[in-house]
Amino acid sequence: EAQVTQNPRYLITVTGKKLTVTCSQNMNHEYMSWYRQDPGLGLRQIYYSMNVEVTDKGDVPEGYKVSRKEKRNFPLILESPSPNQTSLYFCASSPDRYYEQYFGPGTRLTVT
Amino acid sequence: QKEVEQNSGPLSVPEGAIASLNCTYSDRGSQSFFWYRQYSGKSPELIMFIYSNGDKEDGRFTAQLNKASQYVSLLIRDSQPSDSATYLCAVMLGNEKLTFGTGTRLTIIP
Repeated sequence: EAQVTQNPRYLITVTGKKLTVTCSQNMNHEYMSWYRQDPGLGLRQIYYSMNVEVTDKGDVPEGYKVSRKEKRNFPLILESPSPNQTSLYFCASSPDRYYEQYFGPGTRLTVT
Repeated sequence: QKEVEQNSGPLSVPEGAIASLNCTYSDRGSQSFFWYRQYSGKSPELIMFIYSNGDKEDGRFTAQLNKASQYVSLLIRDSQPSDSATYLCAVMLGNEKLTFGTGTRLTIIP
């Protein structure tokens, strides 16, 4: 089944404790992206990747890191999480930035 | 001015009626336009995409694009309770950045 998977689905952590949210797709897509979704603010892009080893900042990259060492994986790293990073996070992939994006199931992160 | 704007709603429509959702965008160089549906607690899924001026129909859904007026709309005919969701408009701006609106919450009243 073609899909985007994210892990974990739910995470509660404390300020400053490094964490990684994994994202994997099995559709051989070139383009992958991370979004956060907050009430009243909609979906905002954090980082995106056009291909392996090619990543770039989106609208809200502060406090986040990404890497794309393999085509299928695009982990999101929070080196020192803070409460303002409490949000719902979505990973998405697409054959190309101009096409439909396929979203993962989401990761609900709470930072206390 | 926001790059992509939607009325947040909620928009309430009787079952069987036509639901009309609107989205305006600021960049005249915008190229591609998408409508996603998002059920509460779920991830967005594509409903329609449109690139050219005019209408595009797919089943009960019609997307309408007017580049001169910089708006794109989504019509849902014969609305069903299962259409109750938040609808997200996404626009590929002229700088090749995909930007989402904040979404319109639609409720279909049985």
